Amino acid sequence: GESVGLHLPTLSVQEGDNSIINCAYSNSASDYFIWYKQESGKGPQFIIDIRSNMDKRQGQRVTVLLNKTVKHLSLQIAATQPGDSAVYFCAENSGGSNYKLTFGKGTLLTVNP
Amino acid sequence: DAMVIQNPRYQVTQFGKPVTLSCSQTLNHNVMYWYQQKSSQAPKLLFHYYDKDFNNEADTPDNFQSRRPNTSFCFLDIRSPGLGDAAMYLCATTQRGAYGYTFGSGTRLTVV
Repeated sequence: GESVGLHLPTLSVQEGDNSIINCAYSNSASDYFIWYKQESGKGPQFIIDIRSNMDKRQGQRVTVLLNKTVKHLSLQIAATQPGDSAVYFCAENSGGSNYKLTFGKGTLLTVNP
Repeated sequence: DAMVIQNPRYQVTQFGKPVTLSCSQTLNHNVMYWYQQKSSQAPKLLFHYYDKDFNNEADTPDNFQSRRPNTSFCFLDIRSPGLGDAAMYLCATTQRGAYGYTFGSGTRLTVV
């Protein structure tokens, strides 16, 4: 089912370090996954996506890893910058042909200069 | 060049007074979603449309209704807002058969 938490997990890193944000998804039938970045007062911003037939995908400074065996998704951000500070959500297309997009619990990333 | 536009950005309504939030899109996508997001929580799906087919989530309160008069517009109606309905409301779109979702900037609803 959908996870809704009252307190966001937090990750604090130093500028220039690499960040790893983890997400456990719920539906083994989900076939498409997305990472979103959300800054305060704004809508979710697309970062990177991955289909279930892949286990790794790279973008600019970001990498997404998918482990379907344990239903785990991770987002790696290389050389983290202060502008990366935000809440990060994973989302899954959990409805198959219904295209139902559900979100996992977010993680608050804070980058210290 | 906003592609999913939500109006207004901020909405204040009185307790129990019906309110409508609007979403429009220039992408001609056939699927539109409404999410509710409360502070420090993940967006929660309320319902979505595939064309005119309405799909309600099982736990969406009856107080929330939606209309999609055409491809471009989708409305969220809250019939009797309560204090617990104060939240950010997000609209999103996608095209069935393709991948990728586009979100609007959201409407922050305050109930007084």
